[in-house]
Amino acid sequence: EDQVTQSPEALRLQEGESSSLNCSYTVSGLRGLFWYRQDPGKGPEFLFTLYSAGEEKEKERLKATLTKKESFLHITAPKPEDSATYLCAVQARNDYKLSFGAGTTVTVRA
Amino acid sequence: SQTIHQWPATLVQPVGSPLSLECTVEGTSNPNLYWYRQAAGRGLQLLFYSVGIGQISSEVPQNLSASRPQDRQFILSSKKLLLSDSGFYLCAWAGTRNQPQHFGDGTRLSIL
Repeated sequence: EDQVTQSPEALRLQEGESSSLNCSYTVSGLRGLFWYRQDPGKGPEFLFTLYSAGEEKEKERLKATLTKKESFLHITAPKPEDSATYLCAVQARNDYKLSFGAGTTVTVRA
Repeated sequence: SQTIHQWPATLVQPVGSPLSLECTVEGTSNPNLYWYRQAAGRGLQLLFYSVGIGQISSEVPQNLSASRPQDRQFILSSKKLLLSDSGFYLCAWAGTRNQPQHFGDGTRLSIL
């Protein structure tokens, strides 16, 4: 069964203090690894898809990287508006579902 | 552009009552549709998915059912709610299995 573990559970940062979130996964044949951002009371918002080890994607202050066992979401010089829960999910080949981790809740203080 | 709508946003129901949650997608045709449940402190769990009208696949045995009466409409139902059915229910769509899933804003269901 596919498994996704995210760490840390919570992260408190000062504005401008860069950090990384970890997503460790096991899946039988990775089709894609997905990062989502979720604000309180809202549905997840799609950020990135990574397909193979070594791949990197960037969007504003966020950069996602992928290895064969884990993915990192780097937040560079975060701002308070980056505060959210970040979710990682994997999809196996020939499967419809996404298997999600429990998420990392990031709080950025001004 | 494509949009996804879920309603109601919040719902409080007594144990044993029926349930109907609706999800509609605009701006696309023949999408894959999904129902997930999110429990506090846990990851989203896929409940049902559909690749076409009348085609429903269930991922976990439970007290819920799903239907797709129209191309862009997905309904989650129950005949008798249990306390354990409480949670945050999310609908999602994707163009194909190989494309990212996009989520609605969910329904917060509380069972009393």
